[in-house]
Amino acid sequence: AQSVAQPEDQVNVAEGNPLTVKCTYSVSGNPYLFWYVQYPNRGLQFLLKYITGDNLVKGSYGFEAEFNKSQTSFHLKKPSALVSDSALYFCAVRDTKNAGNMLTFGGGTRLMVKP
Amino acid sequence: DTGVSQDPRHKITKRGQNVTFRCDPISEHNRLYWYRQTLGQGPEFLTYFQNEAQLEKSRLLSDRFSAERPKGSFSTLEIQRTEQGDSAMYLCASSRGQTYGYTFGSGTRLTVV
Repeated sequence: AQSVAQPEDQVNVAEGNPLTVKCTYSVSGNPYLFWYVQYPNRGLQFLLKYITGDNLVKGSYGFEAEFNKSQTSFHLKKPSALVSDSALYFCAVRDTKNAGNMLTFGGGTRLMVKP
Repeated sequence: DTGVSQDPRHKITKRGQNVTFRCDPISEHNRLYWYRQTLGQGPEFLTYFQNEAQLEKSRLLSDRFSAERPKGSFSTLEIQRTEQGDSAMYLCASSRGQTYGYTFGSGTRLTVV
């Protein structure tokens, strides 16, 4: 079975500082990994994905994530946080060995960026 | 790309009533997904369509829930005999394939009173 863990319910960071939102996963085969962001009363918006290739992937709004197979992690990062980055962030995984087609999402991490 | 549309945005219903939600995916996307999200939680998978075929259903999807995608375009999700525990945001998403991300709609927020 595929699963995702986001160990932090909330991350607080000052504007201009680097941010990291953590994600670890569990799969039987190889993972397809995704990050989404959700603003209040809205659906989820795609940020970036890892399918194969370079372990560092870049996405929307200056976000990037690093795939680490040995640590089964896919942490989301940004060099300099903005107040407007404050939102709910979800990591998701699909197991390539799984016959199913759905993504499994983590419980989410609330990012608070303070001026 | 007009995005994924969901209707209605909000629905308040009395316990025991039936409700139906509609999702219009991006036209080029043959895969359509329904998820449920409760406050402060991540989305939970409900069901998946590839074209008009419903290929997967979660154990969360009790027999009170039914979903259709009759012509491989829009989809409906019906909940019969609603219960207070059904109160949640119901999210629809569509996708081109396994290596593509989902595009989500804005969701339908259901409140059962």
